[in-house]
Amino acid sequence: GESVGLHLPTLSVQEGDNSIINCAYSNSASDYFIWYKQESGKGPQFIIDIRSNMDKRQGQRVTVLLNKTVKHLSLQIAATQPGDSAVYFCAETGGTSYGKLTFGQGTILTVHP
Amino acid sequence: DAGVIQSPRHEVTEMGQEVTLRCKPISGHNSLFWYRQTMMRGLELLIYFNNNVPIDDSGMPEDRFSAKMPNASFSTLKIQPSEPRDSAVYFCASRLTSGSPGELFFGEGSRLTVL
Repeated sequence: GESVGLHLPTLSVQEGDNSIINCAYSNSASDYFIWYKQESGKGPQFIIDIRSNMDKRQGQRVTVLLNKTVKHLSLQIAATQPGDSAVYFCAETGGTSYGKLTFGQGTILTVHP
Repeated sequence: DAGVIQSPRHEVTEMGQEVTLRCKPISGHNSLFWYRQTMMRGLELLIYFNNNVPIDDSGMPEDRFSAKMPNASFSTLKIQPSEPRDSAVYFCASRLTSGSPGELFFGEGSRLTVL
């Protein structure tokens, strides 16, 4: 039969808009949450991380929010630029899996000039 | 720093052939990870090493897959015999164990096609 691939969520924004990418995680024992960016033909690149004892962390043009109650993680990108177009992955580690990262399925962000 | 270096970048082989993928981690990094990326399964961890010692190989699909890290600056992932379902992009990543547990540095990947 025909194989079925992952249907990645997509987000399409205009240059200059703010973007919000969401992620749900499953492991209550995870204590580090991370966002990665993957451009076409390249390996994933670390953006920002957050520990479970925090609910918000800011970087350069990016903010990560963590809601442990509903196991939800989001990445906000301010003033999105065409160079931000990529696939964004959330990842988690911790508990008995400390040291290895489990990645989510990814979200495709497309920024239109 | 040159970053994580993987070779080959692309490999096309026939079913049944042996495939060896190579990785040179960032100098000074003492954790090394092999991931596989496919459209069906996304990014999957195959195996990781700390200080050249395999810590968790639970993600290795089957006995056809093996990984070694003979020293701190080199690792191989071998598939023997290869099958079409092994077609994927294989990534190597390294990390400084004393650094952020989530900050992995990935190579550009080795795209494997098994015919």
